[in-house]
Amino acid sequence: DGGITQSPKYLFRKEGQNVTLSCEQNLNHDAMYWYRQDPGQGLRLIYYSQIVNDFQKGDIAEGYSVSREKKESFPLTVTSAQKNPTAFYLCASSIWGKEEGYTFGSGTRLTVV
Amino acid sequence: RKEVEQDPGPFNVPEGATVAFNCTYSNSASQSFFWYRQDCRKEPKLLMSVYSSGNEDGRFTAQLNRASQYISLLIRDSKLSDSATYLCVVNGGAGNNRKLIWGLGTSLAVNP
Repeated sequence: DGGITQSPKYLFRKEGQNVTLSCEQNLNHDAMYWYRQDPGQGLRLIYYSQIVNDFQKGDIAEGYSVSREKKESFPLTVTSAQKNPTAFYLCASSIWGKEEGYTFGSGTRLTVV
Repeated sequence: RKEVEQDPGPFNVPEGATVAFNCTYSNSASQSFFWYRQDCRKEPKLLMSVYSSGNEDGRFTAQLNRASQYISLLIRDSKLSDSATYLCVVNGGAGNNRKLIWGLGTSLAVNP
């Protein structure tokens, strides 16, 4: 079955460390997205990518980096520059330009310890 | 004014009740509208798209009023399993500004 897979489900990071969250999809979707969700807040867009080797900053890109070397994969690195990284991170994909909504992965819950 | 506004609730209703959620959006250029459902500590899942003519899927009915920039979701005969947060989602407009804009969600609790 086609879908979008995020790993790990839970991640603990020490202060000053960089961590990378994995996102893989086999839906043949062009576009992929990273969101962050905090308690009581809506989804906020970190980065998005319309095609391979291209990505754009979202609303809260500072302290994050991404790559899109393959259509199927869109990993997110949370760097030590991100001051408040504890959150629920959601990856999504869609057909760019076709307004059918997004398919989400099951999320990664990142906690700084 | 927020780009997408929803009543946060919570809505507490008994099983079998009919409940309606409202949502307003600020960008008149928005062209696509959706309702998502999000269970506690899970990812959002697409419930239904919202079309100008209104659309129905079983117990769920969505309506769009472009003139008032208003979207609604009606749930009839509520089930315990309908308990979740319902997110109103709007696209940013045509062309490359097609990012989705998410409301904060309305919390629903259906009680036995």
